[in-house]
Amino acid sequence: NAGVTQTPKFQVLKTGQSMTLQCAQDMNHEYMSWYRQDPGMGLRLIHYSVGAGITDQGEVPNGYNVSRSTTEDFPLRLLSAAPSQTSVYFCASSYRGVGAEAFFGQGTRLTVV
Amino acid sequence: SQELEQSPQSLIVQEGKNLTINCTSSKTLYGLYWYKQKYGEGLIFLMMLQKGGEEKSHEKITAKLDEKKQQSSLHITASQPSHAGIYLCGADINYGGSQGNLIFGKGTKLSVKP
Repeated sequence: NAGVTQTPKFQVLKTGQSMTLQCAQDMNHEYMSWYRQDPGMGLRLIHYSVGAGITDQGEVPNGYNVSRSTTEDFPLRLLSAAPSQTSVYFCASSYRGVGAEAFFGQGTRLTVV
Repeated sequence: SQELEQSPQSLIVQEGKNLTINCTSSKTLYGLYWYKQKYGEGLIFLMMLQKGGEEKSHEKITAKLDEKKQQSSLHITASQPSHAGIYLCGADINYGGSQGNLIFGKGTKLSVKP
């Protein structure tokens, strides 16, 4: 069972470069989310989606774009990378419904120099 | 906006000792989730609490949600090195009870000395 797959696992970018973090799930989950984890800050929600074609902003959306053209995929785009975006990024998915367990990917460690 | 405060930030215990981690919300909780994260890895779901006064257990880990639904505690009995990691509490920001979009506490780092 693949679950939630994130690629790449590690990435180094130069300031100003753009890139897309990939997230794919094979569980037919309606909900997908992106979080970033920084030391001392816990996980913070960037963007989320409750179904294909529907996205919304979380706590820290600035500098990131998302789209949800299929149920399976939820890519996160960094438009112009900044050192403040150095972080570990996690993608998660879940069924819609009370108590539905969220499944997390293994994370993407991004460094912006 | 809702905030979750976890305490303590870090904890070092001797193997075999009991410990408690707390999670306090600034607003009423409609769904409280506990996760464990091993260093450098993703999050593992432990349990979810919804009702005031609810208590759930899994192996040596027990979580409770108080009657007012603004505080939860996670208790580990007879800690083992395998319990080491970061424990995070999360709450649904849309009060719908799903885990589609959560806010998290900053985490509690647990180390267990053999």
